[in-house]
Amino acid sequence: KAGVTQTPRYLIKTRGQQVTLSCSPISGHRSVSWYQQTPGQGLQFLFEYFSETQRNKGNFPGRFSGRQFSNSRSEMNVSTLELGDSALYLCASSWMGQEEYFGPGTRLTVT
Amino acid sequence: DAKTTQPTSMDCAEGRAANLPCNHSTISGNEYVYWYRQIHSQGPQYIIHGLKNNETNEMASLIITEDRKSSTLILPHATLRDTAVYYCIVRVAGGSEKLVFGKGMKLTVNP
Repeated sequence: KAGVTQTPRYLIKTRGQQVTLSCSPISGHRSVSWYQQTPGQGLQFLFEYFSETQRNKGNFPGRFSGRQFSNSRSEMNVSTLELGDSALYLCASSWMGQEEYFGPGTRLTVT
Repeated sequence: DAKTTQPTSMDCAEGRAANLPCNHSTISGNEYVYWYRQIHSQGPQYIIHGLKNNETNEMASLIITEDRKSSTLILPHATLRDTAVYYCIVRVAGGSEKLVFGKGMKLTVNP
């Protein structure tokens, strides 16, 4: 089976812009979670989707949003980018909430 | 907050067994112990998980104490490629509970 894929792998944006990141889960996995990793805060949970519904949400501002499509693919969007949003954004998929398998991440740099 | 405590770092000689400890004294009866690792700048990799019985797979063994307050991840023959940050996490399996990553433990395998 192919693993979790994320696009793009690297991205440079300017403050105030918005960005959309994409995640394709492992075939058959219906749960997709997003995490942010920064040197200062470590790995932090953003949100989780299952069957197109958000089931859980972390403590992030409303500028961070996501969605899941009927084929389980997911996108996350960050609006009005701030310098502090520079991070590695990781997507993970699982079957029915068991062990999660992570993608390689999208490295976002905000200048 | 993470519910586990791990040493900050550990060294191991290549070819020897690496025993990675984790304390989770407040673990609940329905919480599993999960282990992930993250090699520099890659997405975390699932290793193994267990409830109360010892578990083994092709990557590692997980030994959980009878009172379930601590566990040990064993890499039987460590290689240089096992150098990574290892995370011990407790969570309820299934459902929407997120993974809460602490600071993890840096394992360095030396030649």
